[in-house]
Amino acid sequence: QQPVQSPQAVILREGEDAVINCSSSKALYSVHWYRQKHGEAPVFLMILLKGGEQKGHEKISASFNEKKQQSSLYLTASQLSYSGTYFCGTDHTSGNTPLVFGKGTRLSVIA
Amino acid sequence: EPEVTQTPSHQVTQMGQEVILRCVPISNHLYFYWYRQILGQKVEFLVSFYNNEISEKSEIFDDQFSVERPDGSNFTLKIRSTKLEDSAMYFCASQKGEGANVLTFGAGSRLTVL
Repeated sequence: QQPVQSPQAVILREGEDAVINCSSSKALYSVHWYRQKHGEAPVFLMILLKGGEQKGHEKISASFNEKKQQSSLYLTASQLSYSGTYFCGTDHTSGNTPLVFGKGTRLSVIA
Repeated sequence: EPEVTQTPSHQVTQMGQEVILRCVPISNHLYFYWYRQILGQKVEFLVSFYNNEISEKSEIFDDQFSVERPDGSNFTLKIRSTKLEDSAMYFCASQKGEGANVLTFGAGSRLTVL
């Protein structure tokens, strides 16, 4: 069950905020957020578990709404280095089912 | 920091040729994965491997594909007879243990089939 990400793309000026959403039609156990720069591997940002709390990583934080089966990634006071494609990966059980990734959100931060 | 190592970084091959992509996962990790990303598209799951056998595979992972862990460190993906549509970036990833563990990706192997 591929998660749905929105928006597909967003352009920000440095210092602006953005929200990227990830939703699933099936109950989620965990949501993983990754950032991929052009030509590089996806890099782990954070993981949110069912029943867990909101996580933060510098000026990037995320929430997980189990009832709505969705997660949101919040980027505040964006920097040029935040540019890249953000993927959410979801799994639906506590066992080792493979992550299924959304189509990604391309974020471009301009000066 | 431990990392997942992949070789080659880029391979160009003729259609119909066999290709082997190699990965060295993080040493104390138990779960291994291959994902594929066609240029500009999403990261797609191919296969997962645990305890020396395939634990799950996707529809993409047909009879042309195989994986093995020949020596306890390397984890390989073989494509027997490459097709044009196999051109993609192939990422190996490893995971420490059960449950919602972090996937650590390698830098990828870019395969170009001519």
